[in-house]
Amino acid sequence: NAGVTQTPKFRVLKTGQSMTLLCAQDMNHEYMYWYRQDPGMGLRLIHYSVGEGTTAKGEVPDGYNVSRLKKQNFLLGLESAAPSQTSVYFCASSYKVSEAFFGQGTRLTVV
Amino acid sequence: KNEVEQSPQNLTAQEGEFITINCSYSVGISALHWLQQHPGGGIVSLFMLSSGKKKHGRLIATINIQEKHSSLHITASHPRDSAVYICAVTPDSNYQLIWGAGTKLIIKP
Repeated sequence: NAGVTQTPKFRVLKTGQSMTLLCAQDMNHEYMYWYRQDPGMGLRLIHYSVGEGTTAKGEVPDGYNVSRLKKQNFLLGLESAAPSQTSVYFCASSYKVSEAFFGQGTRLTVV
Repeated sequence: KNEVEQSPQNLTAQEGEFITINCSYSVGISALHWLQQHPGGGIVSLFMLSSGKKKHGRLIATINIQEKHSSLHITASHPRDSAVYICAVTPDSNYQLIWGAGTKLIIKP
């Protein structure tokens, strides 16, 4: 059982480049989340999904887009990366009220 | 005011000490979570509780729903317990987790 898998684990982008982070879970969870974690700050929710085909904005959605075409996958896109998006990104999944399972994180640097 | 407050923000203790980390929240909840993050590492769920007390090894989590407060205790602390401990709540109005800022724990040998 892989749990929650994020790819890639590390990435360096130039300002203005685009990229997609992939989150895959094999637990049949309904809820999936994308967070960013910055030094000295708690986890901040970017976008989330309560089921296949649905997405919603979180606390800090600007500059990001998401898609959930399949229940097991939740994609986070950066269309035009900015240095302010340098962060560690975590994906998580859960049932409605259950433990949240996290991926190992993606360390993104935008130069 | 943050909806989930943790204290202390930082805690340094000697190996063997009894550790307590506190979490207070201001919203109605259906569950409270304690998670652990080691430096440079992923985030692992330790407990999810909605009442009473849970124990796993040297870790104990308690919650008082009336006082909107939870504590995480570590008995016989060890350097490998050094990590950031995060409290989060599932509000009963929706299913988005609300996160505390975390408590950075360092256990010195």
